[in-house]
Amino acid sequence: DAGITQSPRHKVTETGTPVTLRCHQTENHRYMYWYRQDPGHGLRLIHYSYGVKDTDKGEVSDGYSVSRSKTEDFLLTLESATSSQTSVYFCAISGAERGSGELFFGEGSRLTVL
Amino acid sequence: SQELEQSPQSLIVQEGKNLTINCTSSKTLYGLYWYKQKYGEGLIFLMMLQKGGEEKSHEKITAKLDEKKQQSSLHITASQPSHAGIYLCGADISGNQFYFGTGTSLTVIP
Repeated sequence: DAGITQSPRHKVTETGTPVTLRCHQTENHRYMYWYRQDPGHGLRLIHYSYGVKDTDKGEVSDGYSVSRSKTEDFLLTLESATSSQTSVYFCAISGAERGSGELFFGEGSRLTVL
Repeated sequence: SQELEQSPQSLIVQEGKNLTINCTSSKTLYGLYWYKQKYGEGLIFLMMLQKGGEEKSHEKITAKLDEKKQQSSLHITASQPSHAGIYLCGADISGNQFYFGTGTSLTVIP
């Protein structure tokens, strides 16, 4: 199994509070991704990173920011959480260029915004 | 994602029956991946297809990628309750943005 851990695994918070989810990998992989999974929408890409300090937006990036100050950690921040951000968040990593390798997924972080 | 259309959205089959799940894109796919997710858990990699016309099998699951690399199918032969879960196709469509289909929920009735 790929060494990828997410924290926290479960969080309940209130609207308007900041939230940070952490993805930590021990594989030294270059690419890291944050997805959210919602019924009827499958997995949607929020942000991704292709190296330290190199990040870019995915298809549903509004309301989210990310940071990657070292290879092993990719942080997802909700500056001011809203109820629409209640979801299950998955981190994924890949060591391969352009579609040539699989993504390895963390176990997910379930976030509830009241 | 709108980039990948997956069908059907859900499937209920009797144990022992065959089934097919489809994944379609309007763009060329740089690698097509199939994942399985058990309810409430993370995703498990099943297979990767890269070349047009490629076909791979693992146990009773076969995946194919068409020649134009825009459509893939996942076929399960003689389904079992252990096959139940959510199946997702994923692909690198633009740059290093990895997109997923909306998923197919499979229920196998014993």
